[in-house]
Amino acid sequence: AQKVTQAQTEISVVEKEDVTLDCVYETRDTTYYLFWYKQPPSGELVFLIRRNSFDEQNEISGRYSWNFQKSTSSFNFTITASQVVDSAVYFCALSEAIIGGYNKLIFGAGTRLAVHP
Amino acid sequence: DAMVIQNPRYQVTQFGKPVTLSCSQTLNHNVMYWYQQKSSQAPKLLFHYYDKDFNNEADTPDNFQSRRPNTSFCFLDIRSPGLGDAAMYLCATSRVGQGFREETQYFGPGTRLLVL
Repeated sequence: AQKVTQAQTEISVVEKEDVTLDCVYETRDTTYYLFWYKQPPSGELVFLIRRNSFDEQNEISGRYSWNFQKSTSSFNFTITASQVVDSAVYFCALSEAIIGGYNKLIFGAGTRLAVHP
Repeated sequence: DAMVIQNPRYQVTQFGKPVTLSCSQTLNHNVMYWYQQKSSQAPKLLFHYYDKDFNNEADTPDNFQSRRPNTSFCFLDIRSPGLGDAAMYLCATSRVGQGFREETQYFGPGTRLLVL
């Protein structure tokens, strides 16, 4: 069975601190996709990144970076120099192949990040 | 800008009174999804449409129905809302083509449903 574990329920940091959100996944698929979404208090799920299982390159986008390691089945997300606007719930998700060739998302439980001034 | 739109953003209904939530998209995506998200939980998939083909999750209650009259619109009907149906309802879309397996789901802002 496919599963995504986000062990950190809540993280609280002070502005400008770096913070890493952990994500560990389980899958039997050889081809799969991993995602991170941000959900601010307004409720919308904002897409941040998609990574496929064949691409283990780390990615950096501004203050955000992602570390994908197949050996440990992890896809961790780091925010550098955190800001108050980063306060949100962050979801890691795994795509599960379903009939028809399209995918169902398996979400982790989410990590609530609070960045204080 | 291409986007996923949900109306209304907040909906109050009475116990047992049918309610309809709407979702529209300008992305021209062929797959549309409805998720239910309760407080402090991850989104839970209720069903999705692949073009006109409806796919229900096994544990979605019969109380929840959906309609997709065209590519752009999808509706969630709750026939007899109970107190336990109070939640955020999220619509998402994605594009899947022949031989194109990967997809990213793009979400709308959600509708918060309150049942009195």
